[in-house]
Amino acid sequence: DAKTTQPPSMDCAEGRAANLPCNHSTISGNEYVYWYRQIHSQGPQYIIHGLKNNETNEMASLIITEDRKSSTLILPHATLRDTAVYYCIVRPHQTGANNLFFGTGTRLTVIP
Amino acid sequence: ETGVTQTPRHLVMGMTNKKSLKCEQHLGHNAMYWYKQSAKKPLELMFVYSLEERVENNSVPSRFSPECPNSSHLFLHLHTLQPEDSALYLCASSQDGGYGYTFGSGTRLTVV
Repeated sequence: DAKTTQPPSMDCAEGRAANLPCNHSTISGNEYVYWYRQIHSQGPQYIIHGLKNNETNEMASLIITEDRKSSTLILPHATLRDTAVYYCIVRPHQTGANNLFFGTGTRLTVIP
Repeated sequence: ETGVTQTPRHLVMGMTNKKSLKCEQHLGHNAMYWYKQSAKKPLELMFVYSLEERVENNSVPSRFSPECPNSSHLFLHLHTLQPEDSALYLCASSQDGGYGYTFGSGTRLTVV
């Protein structure tokens, strides 16, 4: 049970910002929002995570709404290498092995 | 190279064969995972090891047998597989209390 809803696919022009939405209306207070991506036939790659504040790293920005029921992953200047399936996952941060359950994600295609 | 190495990258085996998939991580992580990704399906969590102890087995058939001899190595022993077991098998590791998983590039298994 991935507990998130994402559009199945999106297109983005190369060089433009890609904004990937995610709904997680049943998120609990101790659950973080994680984003991973999977380029074709490779293992998923961690992108970013957040609890309630907006986060930014060298790969992307994560914007979480004040009620935490939805979030947006932003790739500021999409390149062809950003074409991948993007997964939004909610899970608690806890000690021990932390199970990570993937949904179907959003297939982002960056168009030249 | 992500720090998690899986071998072999590709494997073709008959239904009566016995083979093993290997995963190795040098990240100092203490939890390791096996996932299965069939065509057009989400990743499915198969097995979870924490501190070399199996903590989860998600109703995986007994023809899949995991082994974790130490915190750096994880194996998936395969025997009498079915064609529907053909998939991408992914290994991942994480650190107790850490935030992200690191995935390997996977083994593409074809059962003939």
